[in-house]
Amino acid sequence: DSGVTQTPKHLITATGQRVTLRCSPRSGDLSVYWYQQSLDQGLQFLIQYYNGEERAKGNILERFSAQQFPDLHSELNLSSLELGDSALYFCASSPRGYNEQFFGPGTRLTVL
Amino acid sequence: GESVGLHLPTLSVQEGDNSIINCAYSNSASDYFIWYKQESGKGPQFIIDIRSNMDKRQGQRVTVLLNKTVKHLSLQIAATQPGDSAVYFCAENGEGGGNKLTFGTGTQLKVEL
Repeated sequence: DSGVTQTPKHLITATGQRVTLRCSPRSGDLSVYWYQQSLDQGLQFLIQYYNGEERAKGNILERFSAQQFPDLHSELNLSSLELGDSALYFCASSPRGYNEQFFGPGTRLTVL
Repeated sequence: GESVGLHLPTLSVQEGDNSIINCAYSNSASDYFIWYKQESGKGPQFIIDIRSNMDKRQGQRVTVLLNKTVKHLSLQIAATQPGDSAVYFCAENGEGGGNKLTFGTGTQLKVEL
């Protein structure tokens, strides 16, 4: 158990809908990262937040957005969902000043 | 663009043998590398990391080797056990030191009894 928690574990929804994925980092970790893992793209970095501020952006679609709250938990919002958005979404966290990232168990999103 | 690739998508080894998983990276600006293990249905689990000022680092039953000249990374697992069966990913931070990780495509390690 990495100490990173993600909810929900599974999510099934329809095209065009909007969902919110939630992540709680390890106690004391200020950085939160979101990754998408799909069969054809592997693990892709989406976005990083550090202490509430956006720090780095990767291949994140405009339909996706994220935020980190004062209590350091983070949410990833996915809107206008398409079939191709079906994937595993992982959150990771890291302590200040360290590169090592600890991953949560993931949320499996299925868009029908 | 940036890429981190693995030479072998599947590696089969006998229990008790040593395993070597290879990874090629393309971003010479990367100064941090990390190996993760991912079991089915779980998130990636940290195994070992190494900074670019080192060429070898050892952990418990695992060793990571870094060859910056040829941009090559390897993970050696000693006395491979059935519990080592998983997909292994290498990742690099790229872009001169940021925290964004670029992952390789992964290698499936199968341990045969």
